[in-house]
Amino acid sequence: EVQLVEAGGGLVQPGGSLRLSCAASGLTFSDFWMSWVRQAPGKGLEWVASIKKDGSETQYVDSVKGRFTISRDNAKNSLCLQMNSLRAEDTAVYYCVRGRVAMGYWGQGTLVTVSS
Amino acid sequence: QSALAQPPSASGSPGQSVTISCTGTSSDVGGYNYVSWFQQYPGKAPKLMIYEVNKRPSGVPDRFSGSKSGNTASLTVSGLQAEDEADYYCNSHAGSNIVLFGGGTKLTVL
Repeated sequence: EVQLVEAGGGLVQPGGSLRLSCAASGLTFSDFWMSWVRQAPGKGLEWVASIKKDGSETQYVDSVKGRFTISRDNAKNSLCLQMNSLRAEDTAVYYCVRGRVAMGYWGQGTLVTVSS
Repeated sequence: QSALAQPPSASGSPGQSVTISCTGTSSDVGGYNYVSWFQQYPGKAPKLMIYEVNKRPSGVPDRFSGSKSGNTASLTVSGLQAEDEADYYCNSHAGSNIVLFGGGTKLTVL
């Protein structure tokens, strides 16, 4: 059974930083693109970032470019999202996802709240 | 890039069919056969229902089908059941190596 378990969410002040992690199991992690997708309270889904199977290519939505960094460690079956210079509009549930468009498996999500 | 356009709501009676549209441009929906559909219940993570326009993952009922014409993709739910009441989102590969989501459609089973 595929499991994606996110951790690292919480309350952070505007301008602060947070690092999300995702532990993957039940899949050959290095065979898949991985992504982060977020959902602001009461709003729709928004793609945030994706990383290629071997980590050689990363892609970001314009609103987080230069502030967020997606990375992976295939030896540890883990995915990370380093979030810097956080803004109120980054408040959302962040989901770790297997895939890039055909997002076949989702974690349960971790809530990031940016507020003073 | 703007989000893909979905109607905010759709509805149908049990047993009926309902179709939800997802409209983009030739740079996203119309340009690639990489459109997916997701079902989301309140407070839960989304679930993949359709990928690559019209393919169903294992375990998804064949009542769910996908199609595309030009810049518009569609999700059809046939033989509506009460359990189909949920939010539905489309997404698509877009140019410049980005992924776009639709705004979501709330499906109500009357």
